[in-house]
Amino acid sequence: EAGVTQFPSHSVIEKGQTVTLRCDPISGHDNLYWYRRVMGKEIKFLLHFVKESKQDESGMPNNRFLAERTGGTYSTLKVQPAELEDSGVYFCASSQGGQKLFFGSGTQLSVL
Amino acid sequence: QKEVEQDPGPLSVPEGAIVSLNCTYSNSAFQYFMWYRQYSRKGPELLMYTYSSGNKEDGRFTAQVDKSSKYISLFIRDSQPSDSATYLCAMNGNTGGFKTIFGAGTRLFVKA
Repeated sequence: EAGVTQFPSHSVIEKGQTVTLRCDPISGHDNLYWYRRVMGKEIKFLLHFVKESKQDESGMPNNRFLAERTGGTYSTLKVQPAELEDSGVYFCASSQGGQKLFFGSGTQLSVL
Repeated sequence: QKEVEQDPGPLSVPEGAIVSLNCTYSNSAFQYFMWYRQYSRKGPELLMYTYSSGNKEDGRFTAQVDKSSKYISLFIRDSQPSDSATYLCAMNGNTGGFKTIFGAGTRLFVKA
């Protein structure tokens, strides 16, 4: 069974540009989460989808971040315009609803 | 004050040693307690999860939760070089797994 897939694995952009991260959850997992780890800090919750609906987006830093989950399948996280402090590793995770979160390998975002 | 405190290490032990990893937390609403293992350039992988107080054992791994002291531990017996990784404690207070709060992670090195 395929795990959670994220791409790109790395992205280097300049301040002010737009970047879109993609996550493909495990097939059949209705719950999809985005987390972020910035340098030297803990992994922090960004938001939670149940199917195509946003269940909780309280962790989204500001309105430069937009997450979508089309048809309850894959999800995208767009940062527009990117700022230096957005650099970090963005993780996607999925679950069937319990405590077991299955994480992808993350996207390393560097904003220069 | 952080909701979850975890010593980042690094912790270096010889092969075969018993490893003790710990976290403290402040939110008494937490009921689900998890330990994730993360290898370099990979996403976190769930190792153990425990509901409320008590012990749980799985092979060489034992998780302990003491809610009265707001203290959780992970013990690794007969540690192996392949156990070298970052270990993250995580917890939340709800079913469904959303908004999991992570510790900073402890970097463990097991020397052959």
